[in-house]
Amino acid sequence: AQKVTQAQTEISVVEKEDVTLDCVYETRDTTYYLFWYKQPPSGELVFLIRRNSFDEQNEISGRYSWNFQKSTSSFNFTITASQVVDSAVYFCALSEYSSGSARQLTFGSGTQLTVLP
Amino acid sequence: KAGVTQTPRYLIKTRGQQVTLSCSPISGHRSVSWYQQTPGQGLQFLFEYFSETQRNKGNFPGRFSGRQFSNSRSEMNVSTLELGDSALYLCASSLSRKGPTNYGYTFGSGTRLTVV
Repeated sequence: AQKVTQAQTEISVVEKEDVTLDCVYETRDTTYYLFWYKQPPSGELVFLIRRNSFDEQNEISGRYSWNFQKSTSSFNFTITASQVVDSAVYFCALSEYSSGSARQLTFGSGTQLTVLP
Repeated sequence: KAGVTQTPRYLIKTRGQQVTLSCSPISGHRSVSWYQQTPGQGLQFLFEYFSETQRNKGNFPGRFSGRQFSNSRSEMNVSTLELGDSALYLCASSLSRKGPTNYGYTFGSGTRLTVV
C-alpha cells in the first residue's frame, strides 16, 4: 500500500527566509509519481510540481525547488525567499502507476506554512 | 480558460438526508475524480470517472456514489447523511484517463458540506 508522511504539521518563518517542507513516501511500485500541491484558505488545491520515479533530477523553478531522493524515499520542497502569500497548507502526494494507468492520489497530512511579515 | 467548477460552494444538510454535489471539469477534460477532506482523515480518494464509467473507487461505503455525464460533468451523491460526512469535497479533472501521469489534476475550490 502507498503512504505519504509529512512529519511537519506547522512551520512558521519570517518573510524572506528559506523554508523546506519534508515528504517521505512508501510504495511497492517501481513506477510512480510525486506531487506537491498548495491549498490556500480558499480551499482549492493548486498544483505546484510533479516528478516521476525515473527522473531524480532536481530542479529550480522560480522560488521553488525540490529534492527527490529515491534512496531515502524523500521528496522535499523548498521555497526560497518566502513571502506572506506563500502562507498555505502544502500537501505532498503519491500516485502509483499500476496497470499502466495512474488513477488516484494518496496525500500526506499536509504542512501548514505561515510566513510572517 | 475556465477552471473546475463545483457547486454549490457551501451546503448544510440534516442527518439522514441525501445530497448531490456537482462538478464541471475543464473543457476537454474527460477524467473526473472526487476527494473528501476532513480534519481527522485528511484528503481521501472517493472515485474516478472517465467517459461516463467509474474506473476506480476508494474505500468508502456504498452511501457514496457518483456518475458522469456525456459532457464530462460529474455528480456525487451521498445518501443517509451522517455527521461524519461533514467535509470539504474536492473535484479534480484531468485531460487523460491516465490522470496525473501526463497532465496532472486540476482541482476545484470544493463544496463544503456540513451535516447537522
